[in-house]
Amino acid sequence: QKEVEQDPGPLSVPEGAIVSLNCTYSNSAFQYFMWYRQYSRKGPELLMYTYSSGNKEDGRFTAQVDKSSKYISLFIRDSQPSDSATYLCAMRGDSWGKFQFGAGTQVVVTP
Amino acid sequence: DAGVIQSPRHEVTEMGQEVTLRCKPISGHNSLFWYRQTMMRGLELLIYFNNNVPIDDSGMPEDRFSAKMPNASFSTLKIQPSEPRDSAVYFCASSLALSGTDTQYFGPGTRLTVL
Repeated sequence: QKEVEQDPGPLSVPEGAIVSLNCTYSNSAFQYFMWYRQYSRKGPELLMYTYSSGNKEDGRFTAQVDKSSKYISLFIRDSQPSDSATYLCAMRGDSWGKFQFGAGTQVVVTP
Repeated sequence: DAGVIQSPRHEVTEMGQEVTLRCKPISGHNSLFWYRQTMMRGLELLIYFNNNVPIDDSGMPEDRFSAKMPNASFSTLKIQPSEPRDSAVYFCASSLALSGTDTQYFGPGTRLTVL
């Protein structure tokens, strides 16, 4: 079993809808949680970062961490065609631990 | 800031040939990471360095792979001999340090095809 599980999609939504993405993990030592966005043929870029449990909001993006359930989520409000990309979750334990990435979920926002 | 620079952007080679991928991290960043991305396996960490010293190479698939960081502004990933199953996109990323709050900045990647 992988340490980080993420549904690869694709997830297709109409423009303006809320996109809901999530990852589950098995390692209770994970404390740092990130979401990356990767456009086709580009490198991943950091979208959101959260430490431990809780919510974080940045514009149209909201990241949630539920450590008790080992579950993290990313919500994109008022989705735009420019949000069409692959979204990868990533997490790590202590400060010197390496990142574990999810497989990535492909999102398609249709006009 | 130019960001992380990788070269070449595309590489096509024949099985058995040596392949060298290059990376220039963001100036001032002390940590450098090499990843491989495929449809089947997703994004895999191969090796990472801190202050030019390899910290963890447990992700390097086999002895055919080697990585060096001779100075703070340059790193190479070498595959010798290359095999078709090495075909993937190889990303280099850098960060200020290895602390949990530091962001990794990815380069554009090198798309490697081994025939």
